[in-house]
Amino acid sequence: AQKITQTQPGMFVQEKEAVTLDCTYDTSDQSYGLFWYKQPSSGEMIFLIYQGSYDEQNATEGRYSLNFQKARKSANLVISASQLGDSAMYFCAMRGVSGGYNKLIFGAGTRLAVHP
Amino acid sequence: EPEVTQTPSHQVTQMGQEVILRCVPISNHLYFYWYRQILGQKVEFLVSFYNNEISEKSEIFDDQFSVERPDGSNFTLKIRSTKLEDSAMYFCASSERGTGNTIYFGEGSWLTVV
Repeated sequence: AQKITQTQPGMFVQEKEAVTLDCTYDTSDQSYGLFWYKQPSSGEMIFLIYQGSYDEQNATEGRYSLNFQKARKSANLVISASQLGDSAMYFCAMRGVSGGYNKLIFGAGTRLAVHP
Repeated sequence: EPEVTQTPSHQVTQMGQEVILRCVPISNHLYFYWYRQILGQKVEFLVSFYNNEISEKSEIFDDQFSVERPDGSNFTLKIRSTKLEDSAMYFCASSERGTGNTIYFGEGSWLTVV
């Protein structure tokens, strides 16, 4: 079975600092994808970044980067130069063949608070 | 930037009533999904839809749920007889491909069953 674990229920960071949100996953699939989403207090789910299991380089999207360590089965999100608007819930998710490639399995989320 | 749009943003309904949640996926996307998030809990997969049929569904998606693509743009989730435990945020999502690297979510529809 596939599983996503986010062990940090809450994190805080000072504005302009970098922060790492942890995500570990469990799967027996060779081919899978890892996603991060941001959910502000307004409720919408905003796609941030994607990493494929065969991608050799870590994904980056602006201030977001994904620290992919395949052997450790971790896919941590790094947010550089935090901004007040980054305060939100962050969800790690994965999709893979055995879990049904058409569906995402989500972690419990990490609530990030950015302090001025 | 193209986006998934959902209506209504919030609906309050009485237990036992039928509810239809509507979604307009991104126009060139072929795969459509519904997820739900009960307050304070994980986001859960309900169903995926491709080529006018359900491609996958979870155990949550029982006989009281149905999905439809009634025309070329809308994708709907119908809950036939709502229960209190159906109260949740329902997200529609779409992707260009089934194995694609981006799945875009709408802003969600809050459903409150009283």
